[in-house]
Amino acid sequence: DAGITQSPRHKVTETGTPVTLRCHQTENHRYMYWYRQDPGHGLRLIHYSYGVKDTDKGEVSDGYSVSRSKTEDFLLTLESATSSQTSVYFCAVRAPEGEQYFGPGTRLTVT
Amino acid sequence: AQSVSQHNHHVILSEAASLELGCNYSYGGTVNLFWYVQYPGQHLQLLLKYFSGDPLVKGIKGFEAEFIKSKFSFNLRKPSVQWSDTAEYFCAVNSPSGAGKSTFGDGTTLTVKP
Repeated sequence: DAGITQSPRHKVTETGTPVTLRCHQTENHRYMYWYRQDPGHGLRLIHYSYGVKDTDKGEVSDGYSVSRSKTEDFLLTLESATSSQTSVYFCAVRAPEGEQYFGPGTRLTVT
Repeated sequence: AQSVSQHNHHVILSEAASLELGCNYSYGGTVNLFWYVQYPGQHLQLLLKYFSGDPLVKGIKGFEAEFIKSKFSFNLRKPSVQWSDTAEYFCAVNSPSGAGKSTFGDGTTLTVKP
């Protein structure tokens, strides 16, 4: 599964606090993605990266920021968490042939 | 913009029944097509993919899909489902060029009754 890890795997936080989720990959894939998965909405792209320090917005980027200072790490930050950001967050990388490989996910609950 | 439509939100089958899940996409150019599976409590895993060539592609666990360009469809099939196929299935499309962003359908939940 492309050596993708996510941390933390579970987190409960309070409204208004900042939260950072980490995605780490071991196979030097250029493209990395953050998705959120919610019932009835499938997977929605939050942000993606096409190289170190090169990032762009996805379809649901409001309230989120990302950073990629190293090829292997892609961080997702919730500036000030809200209850609407309670979700399961998946990181993914793009393999050379175009398919994506996903991390195990982070379940975030904002109370 | 790309879009993917999966017609069935929830499918319930008995073991040994045949499966077909519909997927239609909207995109004007060349596309890569994928089916992913998500078992309960797990992350998405690639089931099969189509880039070019033979429009009938075979994936893992006996699944196959057929690309029909004229219908913008990429339906997933399996002749005989098992209880262990209970999962959520996602169709996805991306362009071979660019940042490789994939657009996913909303998913189809398959429940196989033993």
